[in-house]
Amino acid sequence: KNEVEQSPQNLTAQEGEFITINCSYSVGISALHWLQQHPGGGIVSLFMLSSGKKKHGRLIATINIQEKHSSLHITASHPRDSAVYICAVVNSGGSNYKLTFGKGTLLTVNP
Amino acid sequence: GAGVSQTPSNKVTEKGKYVELRCDPISGHTALYWYRQSLGQGPEFLIYFQGTGAADDSGLPNDRFFAVRPEGSVSTLKIQRTERGDSAVYLCASSLLGLGGQETQYFGPGTRLLVL
Repeated sequence: KNEVEQSPQNLTAQEGEFITINCSYSVGISALHWLQQHPGGGIVSLFMLSSGKKKHGRLIATINIQEKHSSLHITASHPRDSAVYICAVVNSGGSNYKLTFGKGTLLTVNP
Repeated sequence: GAGVSQTPSNKVTEKGKYVELRCDPISGHTALYWYRQSLGQGPEFLIYFQGTGAADDSGLPNDRFFAVRPEGSVSTLKIQRTERGDSAVYLCASSLLGLGGQETQYFGPGTRLLVL
């Protein structure tokens, strides 16, 4: 079993819909990252969080440390949000610089 | 304000050949990371540099892989005797303070390596 599991693997939505992508992990962590990867493009960091909730524009990230779960929400989705969203964790029992990544969730937002 | 750059963007080579992949981090960033991403997978950690030294190379798959960062800036990932299984996108990232997972990492566009 991977340390980081994301669901769903693929997600298709209509423009304007509210999107939720989930990340579950099996180890104790000191931080969790959400990243965005456009097809053929590089990776952009969206959020880093260790507790609670963060918001940036239409993006919201939450984390529940006790349940070992995080969610990324996109409000009023737009076709330009189409990308792969990747969750990554820092294992608190390991090296604090090593990110362990999920496989990503491919989001397609249709106009 | 240049970001992280990587060259070449694409590299096609034959099995058994030697390749070098280059990463130019953001100026002033002390930490540099190499990752490998296979098709349909998330990135996997390869090696971490703090300054000029490799603080952790535990992710390098075997001794055919080696990386250097001689002046604490540009880094080169070297792969000897390439195998078809080495085909992947090689990503480089840098961060300012070397806090690793406790700070934002800035990624380059990657080098897509294809071993025929």
